[in-house]
Amino acid sequence: DAGITQSPRHKVTETGTPVTLRCHQTENHRYMYWYRQDPGHGLRLIHYSYGVKDTDKGEVSDGYSVSRSKTEDFLLTLESATSSQTSVYFCATRTSSGGSTDTQYFGPGTRLTVL
Amino acid sequence: SQKIEQNSEALNIQEGKTATLTCNYTNYSPAYLQWYRQDPGRGPVFLLLIRENEKEKRKERLKVTFDTTLKQSLFHITASQPADSATYLCALLKTNDYKLSFGAGTTVTVRA
Repeated sequence: DAGITQSPRHKVTETGTPVTLRCHQTENHRYMYWYRQDPGHGLRLIHYSYGVKDTDKGEVSDGYSVSRSKTEDFLLTLESATSSQTSVYFCATRTSSGGSTDTQYFGPGTRLTVL
Repeated sequence: SQKIEQNSEALNIQEGKTATLTCNYTNYSPAYLQWYRQDPGRGPVFLLLIRENEKEKRKERLKVTFDTTLKQSLFHITASQPADSATYLCALLKTNDYKLSFGAGTTVTVRA
């Protein structure tokens, strides 16, 4: 998993509670991403970061916020969890060499269940 | 809207045969197309990248083709092995973009 850890790996929470997922990388990659993966939908981008304190929305950002205060950490917060946010969440990183060969490296995922 | 479609059904093949997976896209002009492998309970792992001006790319028993006229990529696993059983994802990237767009994946099962 190329030096990317996610915590927690599993979480069960109740509707309406805030939840924060953490992604930590040791690769010093500039770009970081949060995806959710649901059956039949594949990986969908929630938010991404192109540097410390530089973030932007992806295609499914409603109900989520992110923060990146250090290169190595990217936090995803569900402001008020809903059952539709039950999913597997993946963090990914990418280098900034600028070449087309840049690939994304994925973490092991966090399985979140909202009851 | 942009759409990326992969084989909708799982693919079951006999060991030693070639598995062929399809990735079709619409309303998209990707500069690069990537293929990833995902095992159950794990994150995707990069396999191959092919550029829009490349027709074919090979890596060991893997072969990828990219037809921008048909808006399609084919992913072949030759001499398949049970260890090749996994879900395979295609992903598209535009020039100078930071974000990949993924298909839903095709699950391949190779029978011994």
